[in-house]
Amino acid sequence: AQKITQTQPGMFVQEKEAVTLDCTYDTSDPSYGLFWYKQPSSGEMIFLIYQGSYDQQNATEGRYSLNFQKARKSANLVISASQLGDSAMYFCAMRETNAGKSTFGDGTTLTVKP
Amino acid sequence: NAGVTQTPKFQVLKTGQSMTLQCAQDMNHNSMYWYRQDPGMGLRLIYYSASEGTTDKGEVPNGYNVSRLNKREFSLRLESAAPSQTSVYFCASLQARQGHSGNTIYFGEGSWLTVV
Repeated sequence: AQKITQTQPGMFVQEKEAVTLDCTYDTSDPSYGLFWYKQPSSGEMIFLIYQGSYDQQNATEGRYSLNFQKARKSANLVISASQLGDSAMYFCAMRETNAGKSTFGDGTTLTVKP
Repeated sequence: NAGVTQTPKFQVLKTGQSMTLQCAQDMNHNSMYWYRQDPGMGLRLIYYSASEGTTDKGEVPNGYNVSRLNKREFSLRLESAAPSQTSVYFCASLQARQGHSGNTIYFGEGSWLTVV
């Protein structure tokens, strides 16, 4: 069964607008962490934001925020004020604490239009 | 700050040849991972090592073996390479910490492997 589901293969957003990238997850481990990574065309993996399953507040890092809805098992990434440099592939990932494994979704390709 | 170092960066293999991808991290992390990424696709977990001395299969372990040599090093071996193993391979490490900060999966730069 897919542990991490990203249902949007591709997204477009106008420069300076906000965009939400969807991520849902499935786990029976009560302790887990959720990550978002950016992969530009150069191929490196760039860490964006992390949310722990016991964190009470949604994580924020600059223009990135994570909309964590635990009951719905969703961890959507919100990018505010999109920039042309945000065009990239975005991956959601989950680490299950007890199992120790970290799995990734299939990614969403974001294109920012000028 | 070396972080996660993996070698080689590029390799071309013939079908049936064997090779080992090396990975080392200098951050004293407990957990290490090997992923493969096919073109335009996500990262699929091959094997992982939650702590020194343990290894476990991920989503796509067939055709691969791993060795957690010590806390720093985690190698991935292809015993008999097949064209289906043409991919980009990423090594990663993590030191899980309680709380909001400090949880980051650190990645190597990737190894581009082509099997002909």
